[in-house]
Amino acid sequence: GAVVSQHPSRVICKSGTSVKIECRSLDFQATTMFWYRQFPKQSLMLMATSNEGSKATYEQGVEKDKFLINHASLTLSTLTVTSAHPEDSSFYICSARDNRGGTAPLYFGPGTRLTVL
Amino acid sequence: QKEVEQNSGPLSVPEGAIASLNCTYSDRGSQSFFWYRQYSGKSPELIMSIYSNGDKEDGRFTAQLNKASQYVSLLIRDSQPSDSATYLCAVNVNQAGTALIFGKGTTLSVSS
Repeated sequence: GAVVSQHPSRVICKSGTSVKIECRSLDFQATTMFWYRQFPKQSLMLMATSNEGSKATYEQGVEKDKFLINHASLTLSTLTVTSAHPEDSSFYICSARDNRGGTAPLYFGPGTRLTVL
Repeated sequence: QKEVEQNSGPLSVPEGAIASLNCTYSDRGSQSFFWYRQYSGKSPELIMSIYSNGDKEDGRFTAQLNKASQYVSLLIRDSQPSDSATYLCAVNVNQAGTALIFGKGTTLSVSS
């Protein structure tokens, strides 16, 4: 299957700092990437849809000024958690679908575990 | 609001048995259906996709789709302890750029 990489895999930071997470599609182009968040023992929650060359679309309740998304190329999207607080501690997972097919499944990156102290 | 429903479980089966996981969805316009497996602390891994009514088999896994009943299932034959994980049902309406809608997942436990 298609490969999506994510970096870093784990980050621990102090409250008030910003953290950038990178998501790359390694063997396909993705006009659209998706950012999910998962709290312990809960399901995946879609945060935002990242669109190459345009603004991201955020789900209801997700602060766009706190979670900055940049999709600068067809293979790279970044999520920056600004002024992180302990409640932002979670498992952040990006996903992407090959541009070639609308029916293609989403492939997930390995996730980034964020811990805010 | 589009919804995907799954029984959270846990579903417990003995090694070698058939595990049956079920999922219903609310949007009749849904076109693509997927099963993902998620081990604890890891990201979801695609195991099956199905697009038309009927059965689709891949190794020990069989996905079943019934669009009239808005129902999709996953059967795991000869269950192994390594199959113990949370299984996520996901649906999309086949629109470009649309994210998948996930169910909350069913936790499967296979005992040896």
